[in-house]
Amino acid sequence: GAVVSQHPSWVICKSGTSVKIECRSLDFQATTMFWYRQFPKQSLMLMATSNEGSKATYEQGVEKDKFLINHASLTLSTLTVTSAHPEDSSFYICSASPGRVSTEAFFGQGTRLTVV
Amino acid sequence: GQQVMQIPQYQHVQEGEDFTTYCNSSTTLSNIQWYKQRPGGHPVFLIQLVKSGEVKKQKRLTFQFGEAKKNSSLHITATQTTDVGTYFCAGDFGNEKLTFGTGTRLTIIP
Repeated sequence: GAVVSQHPSWVICKSGTSVKIECRSLDFQATTMFWYRQFPKQSLMLMATSNEGSKATYEQGVEKDKFLINHASLTLSTLTVTSAHPEDSSFYICSASPGRVSTEAFFGQGTRLTVV
Repeated sequence: GQQVMQIPQYQHVQEGEDFTTYCNSSTTLSNIQWYKQRPGGHPVFLIQLVKSGEVKKQKRLTFQFGEAKKNSSLHITATQTTDVGTYFCAGDFGNEKLTFGTGTRLTIIP
């Protein structure tokens, strides 16, 4: 199957700093990627849809100025958590599909962010 | 809003017993997908159902999509320790994105 790589797999940062997470589709091009957030033992909550060459589409309640998304190429989307605070600590995970977005989604390994 | 609920939230079964998780949507779905997430891992695609009343099988796993395309189920026959994990359904409401269900965490008692 297709491969989506996410980096870093975990990160610890100080409160007030920014953290960038990368999501790459290794063997296919993805005009659309998705960013999710998952709290322990909970479901995946869609944060935003990353669109190559255009602005991301954020879900209701997600602050676009806090969670900056850049999708500059067909194989790379980045999520930057700006001015991170302890409540931003979570598991962030991206996904992409080789075909239409409503088909099988391939997920990155996820990034566990801890803000201290 | 568009929601996808799953029951049960947790299921503990003896190895060899069957397991079923149910998924219900507030509105009609374009399609539904099922994913498995192992502890500490990421979701892995299992199957996609598109047609009303569709039934698909993968070895010990049987997936069903309701006639009204608002509910779905995953049934595992004779569970094994490798089946441990959280099973999520994910619905597409025709808006080209997935809404994940609340998930069912399966644990196996050897």
